[in-house]
Amino acid sequence: QKEVEQNSGPLSVPEGAIASLNCTYSDRVSQSFFWYRQYSGKSPELIMSIYSNGDKEDGRFTAQLNKASQYVSLLIRDSQPSDSATYLCAVRSRNQGGKLIFGQGTELSVKP
Amino acid sequence: EAGVTQSPTHLIKTRGQQVTLRCSPISGHTSVYWYQQALGLGLQFLLWYDEGEERNRGNFPPRFSGRQFPNYSSELNVNALELEDSALYLCASSRSTAVRDSNQPQHFGDGTRLSIL
Repeated sequence: QKEVEQNSGPLSVPEGAIASLNCTYSDRVSQSFFWYRQYSGKSPELIMSIYSNGDKEDGRFTAQLNKASQYVSLLIRDSQPSDSATYLCAVRSRNQGGKLIFGQGTELSVKP
Repeated sequence: EAGVTQSPTHLIKTRGQQVTLRCSPISGHTSVYWYQQALGLGLQFLLWYDEGEERNRGNFPPRFSGRQFPNYSSELNVNALELEDSALYLCASSRSTAVRDSNQPQHFGDGTRLSIL
């Protein structure tokens, strides 16, 4: 089992729709969860961080964390073509200090 | 505020050569991380430095090494280059995560794309 798993996609949604990206992790002592966006040929850009169970909203983005189910998700409301990118889920375990473990990423395509 | 800066942006080497990649963290950040992003393999953790010390190391051979300087900048050295070392090498920085429950996010530089011929 991979430590952090994401649906590889590609996930295709029409402009204006809600895009839902999912991530599961295997280490129960994971404490910090991050979503990064990576455009083709570019470096990852931090878009959301979440540390406690529940929802965290920032503009059109909502991160959801359920530690009991070891599940974290990212919702993008009113999706725009500029949101088309690969979204990376990253997890930090309490036992591994600063190291982030990344999922393989989900490719999102928003169609005009 | 300047972001994480990496140099060079691109590098072409041949098998067996050695390479040094450089990273300057965001001002105020003392932790520096190195990741490798090879085609189809995702981001793999290489090294973590905090306050000049190596704190953690990923599953890479000893020919991957590095150091952090007193100004918190960092170098990644790769010796005896192999074809599979071709990848995007990403440096990230954060405020110190040496404290056990620190939740500091990491911010990435633009990376160095290394090609081995």
